[in-house]
Amino acid sequence: QQQVKQSPQSLIVQKGGISIINCAYENTAFDYFPWYQQFPGKGPALLIAIRPDVSEKKEGRFTISFNKSAKQFSLHIMDSQPGDSATYFCAASMRETSGSRLTFGEGTQLTVNP
Amino acid sequence: NAGVMQNPRHLVRRRGQEARLRCSPMKGHSHVYWYRQLPEEGLKFMVYLQKENIIDESGMPKERFSAEFPKEGPSILRIQQVVRGDSAAYFCASSPTMIAEAFFGQGTRLTVV
Repeated sequence: QQQVKQSPQSLIVQKGGISIINCAYENTAFDYFPWYQQFPGKGPALLIAIRPDVSEKKEGRFTISFNKSAKQFSLHIMDSQPGDSATYFCAASMRETSGSRLTFGEGTQLTVNP
Repeated sequence: NAGVMQNPRHLVRRRGQEARLRCSPMKGHSHVYWYRQLPEEGLKFMVYLQKENIIDESGMPKERFSAEFPKEGPSILRIQQVVRGDSAAYFCASSPTMIAEAFFGQGTRLTVV
């Protein structure tokens, strides 16, 4: 029940295309859903995050769509660029009870071809 | 304001040795989280500490692993009698309060030979 399932495992997109990564969770106590970007040899960096009372959040080229009833959320990267090539992780936490302890998805390796 | 500092960045240990991983949180941050990332896998929570207290260690292996966050100095993740399966990247993250965003360090890559 603590798991977060992420798909696809890898994704190849052409420059200018839309990258879509999906995540699903079981635990309805999760109250915070961030996405992280990780480059090789680096630590994860927060990209964008959403709370379950909002269905969509957009920051620049990055959008989170959240479906509370389906317990799913997704990351959309518009106008994907080669510099976006990285591993993306979705995560979830129960901030009010467990602080910033994060349960991560398995990761998606994104490659954006020029 | 420097970010979360982890050292060493790379650590090689022989089987049976001890590994000590250090994490200096961002200034003003008193909450520290440790995660382990095995090759080609996501990050797995290990332990959550606040100054001088272990808040949640439910992700820590029962044996050989311990963590501390003293009143002064960095947080330490200690692995005794390392085995090959301990080879992984270990990340720490820090936050100023329980519900604030946590920022990650660059990680320590442990290799057990």
